Amino acid sequence: QSVLTQPPSASGTPGQRVIISCSGSSSNIGSNFVYWYKQLPGTAPKLLLYRNDQRPFGVPDRFSGSKSGTSASLAISGLRPEDEADYYCAARDDSLSGPVFGGGTKLTVL
Amino acid sequence: QVTLEESGPTQVKPTQTLTLTCTFSGFSLTTSGVGVGWIRQPPGKALEWLALIYWNDDKGYSPALKTRLTITKDTSKNQVVLTMTNMDPVDTATYFCAEYSGSGFNDHWGQGTLVTVSS
Repeated sequence: QSVLTQPPSASGTPGQRVIISCSGSSSNIGSNFVYWYKQLPGTAPKLLLYRNDQRPFGVPDRFSGSKSGTSASLAISGLRPEDEADYYCAARDDSLSGPVFGGGTKLTVL
Repeated sequence: QVTLEESGPTQVKPTQTLTLTCTFSGFSLTTSGVGVGWIRQPPGKALEWLALIYWNDDKGYSPALKTRLTITKDTSKNQVVLTMTNMDPVDTATYFCAEYSGSGFNDHWGQGTLVTVSS
């Protein structure tokens, strides 16, 4: 059971906006930055957002992040077929002195 | 260019000790704030953090696995080694190493290595 809680699945049609939530606690999301990763089957996770809402170079602005209290969310606008993947949130947990991950959300583009 | 590559056995027997090596380039584990961590992912399941080691040799372990894990670094070889004792079939997973920035794993991950625990 993961420390951060994500919905196991999400879906949308091309062009739609999808939001994936990530719920934690005061020891992780509530007091640290949130990171988001995209993972395609058989590959390593790829950083999508860091420090809650910062996009690495090359990540399109269709991807955005926000954080409020002990929850965070990833929004994907203008959904594309290539967005179909597993998405994970992560944050440092002060009580564990290390990072924790969400259980992952499988995004299906219908 | 930053690269990381995991190496080690693809299969171990139950009760054996697993030793994995992460060889990296493009950054230094002597630079303040830099860390390298290990993460695993059982087939079809979520990512799980295992261990971290920082530039100053501080270390962190997943509380659930702390008694079985040891992480060390060799800065002269640009390597980080993870050992996990008393392997069990439930430890079958792809093991990744990644660069850690202090608040999260950044975009530099190894490709992962699948380790199967089976007799």
